[in-house]
Amino acid sequence: QVQLEESGGGVVQPGKSLRVSCAASGFTFSSYTMHWVRQAPGKGLESVAVIIYDGSLQYYADSVKGRFTISRDNSKNTVYLQMNSLRSEDTALYYCAAEVAAGPDFYFEIWGRGTLVTVSS
Amino acid sequence: SYELTQPPSVSVSPGQTARIPCSGDALPKKVAFWYQQKSGQAPVLVIYKDTERPSGIPERFSGSSSGTTVTLTISGVQAEDEADYYCQSVDTSGTYSVFGGGTKLTVL
Repeated sequence: QVQLEESGGGVVQPGKSLRVSCAASGFTFSSYTMHWVRQAPGKGLESVAVIIYDGSLQYYADSVKGRFTISRDNSKNTVYLQMNSLRSEDTALYYCAAEVAAGPDFYFEIWGRGTLVTVSS
Repeated sequence: SYELTQPPSVSVSPGQTARIPCSGDALPKKVAFWYQQKSGQAPVLVIYKDTERPSGIPERFSGSSSGTTVTLTISGVQAEDEADYYCQSVDTSGTYSVFGGGTKLTVL
């Protein structure tokens, strides 16, 4: 069935790095623009990074620009988020989501269950 | 930057109608989407393009749009509808998604 499964979360010290992954199955991954969306404990949803279907363009929220890198491997049906120089405010549940176009707009039809990243000394 | 504003909480009794507004300056030119997030679960799309309901979503969920405000309406609220609800739109560049702050629906 259609599925996204995140992995790689954990506890990391401030200033350190972590890479989280999202494996897709059940749909044509290489046709989809993919997003990482995070949710801090008890807070709302925040878009973090976007990568278009072939990996040629990436976009980032100002809060992570210069520290996070989104990438994908279409041969492995996987999207990644490399997080460097982590801060306590990066502590969150990180979801990957597949974008569905709606004219000039888009929404998220497929979500993973999330992977928890905790930045703490 | 583009922002969407939602009330933090809405409370209704079972069987009543819940209305959750979401306001944003660009909404007259952009469509909105609504997600339901139950405790410990990933968000689920309940309304797309302001008023459309995905298959599998109960008919009691509906959406409307007027000027700078879109509204999610849940008619005949049931206990199982208790959740956080988020509106979402896209910035004017068409690149970034923008989420409202979320509204916690409490069924009394």
